[in-house]
Amino acid sequence: QSVLTQPPSASGTPGQRVTISCSGSNSNIGSNTVNWYQQLPGTAPKLLIYDNSQRPSGVPDRFSGSKSGTSASLAISGLQSEDEADYYCAAWDASLNGAVFGGGTQLTVL
Amino acid sequence: QLQLQESGPGLVKPSETLSLICTVSRASISSNNYYWGWIRQPPGNGLEWIGSIYYSGSTYYNPSLKSRATLSVDTSKNQFSLKVTSVTAADTAVYYCARQRGRTCSGGICYSGPIDPWGQGTLVTVSS
Repeated sequence: QSVLTQPPSASGTPGQRVTISCSGSNSNIGSNTVNWYQQLPGTAPKLLIYDNSQRPSGVPDRFSGSKSGTSASLAISGLQSEDEADYYCAAWDASLNGAVFGGGTQLTVL
Repeated sequence: QLQLQESGPGLVKPSETLSLICTVSRASISSNNYYWGWIRQPPGNGLEWIGSIYYSGSTYYNPSLKSRATLSVDTSKNQFSLKVTSVTAADTAVYYCARQRGRTCSGGICYSGPIDPWGQGTLVTVSS
């Protein structure tokens, strides 16, 4: 049981816009910024979005993040086949005094 | 470009201690504002943060490991390490080491500290 809640799966067709939600509580998302990670099959996770909505160098602007209250969202526009991966949200939890992850969302490009 | 590489036994017997080392290259482990952490991923499952350590030795741990995990740092070798005692099959996972920006609060906003970059990961199997 993960501290942050994500839908286990999501899907879309090429070119479509897809959003993935991440729900938490006041001790994590409600009081700290959210980071998102992309894990392509068989590889290590890679930072995709940090500080709620910032993109590291090299991440396409098709990826965007937002946060409101105790929830956050990752949006992928202009969906491409290479976006098929697992996506994880994460945040610091002040009660646990550590980082917590969502359970991950498996994105399928139909 | 900063690189991290995990090393250690791929097979550990139940009740024994899992020991891994992460070697940091092309950057100093004594960098200000960055912690060095471990994250694991059981086969077919999601990510679990284990803990992180600053070059001074200051640590944070996931309470769910109930004091079985210990992180240490060796600045002379630019390495940090993880030990997990009394392992069971539930500790079977791919273990990743990574750099984690320290959590900071400024202007009313607390920043969680992204984890970046990650090592390639090493599979540790607990089995007799």
